[in-house]
Amino acid sequence: DTEVTQTPKHLVMGMTNKKSLKCEQHMGHRAMYWYKQKAKKPPELMFVYSYEKLSINESVPSRFSPECPNSSLLNLHLHALQPEDSALYLCASSQRAGGVGYTFGSGTRLTVV
Amino acid sequence: AQSVTQLDSHVSVSEGTPVLLRCNYSSSYSPSLFWYVQHPNKGLQLLLKYTSAATLVKGINGFEAEFKKSETSFHLTKPSAHMSDAAEYFCVVSLYNFNKFYFGSGTKLNVKP
Repeated sequence: DTEVTQTPKHLVMGMTNKKSLKCEQHMGHRAMYWYKQKAKKPPELMFVYSYEKLSINESVPSRFSPECPNSSLLNLHLHALQPEDSALYLCASSQRAGGVGYTFGSGTRLTVV
Repeated sequence: AQSVTQLDSHVSVSEGTPVLLRCNYSSSYSPSLFWYVQHPNKGLQLLLKYTSAATLVKGINGFEAEFKKSETSFHLTKPSAHMSDAAEYFCVVSLYNFNKFYFGSGTKLNVKP
């Protein structure tokens, strides 16, 4: 298995809703990442997990809450989002943190209404 | 400090003609360099990577890139463009043992019939 699987592929949520994005990989990678990508822009790093511990938070608002329950799974919990949070959310993994290239998932297209 | 500059935001070529996507980087350390491709509404796919081995790197789908330290460049080329190559291309730099990727702003490749 050489893939990073993200679910759901599309999500529409209201500003008062709570939802979660899920990311899974079975490549034995020990680093996992969340990126946010707005239209016609490069991806922006949000969070890095290394060996299931949060190692980088790029000053992301607290309405985004990451969780890494085990080495294969990464979640992003969403609460009280704003319309400007609408974007493509990409998950990635790598063998270890930094340097060797990431495998990206196909993303979750999030629309906040 | 490290950064990546993609010199062209849009490149348009005819099918069957060569492709050149330009990337310059700035890094205080020996970098790892990558090219990723993103088709519309899709995640990112790794095309090729340079990690201090051979300076001419061959990737998937006939793409290759040459690392030129003296010019701090890592340009992506393909001898003959195909319609399916139309996509957004990102040049990315990473430092050894760091948890971050630095994305260029992207180059949109248009392939005309």
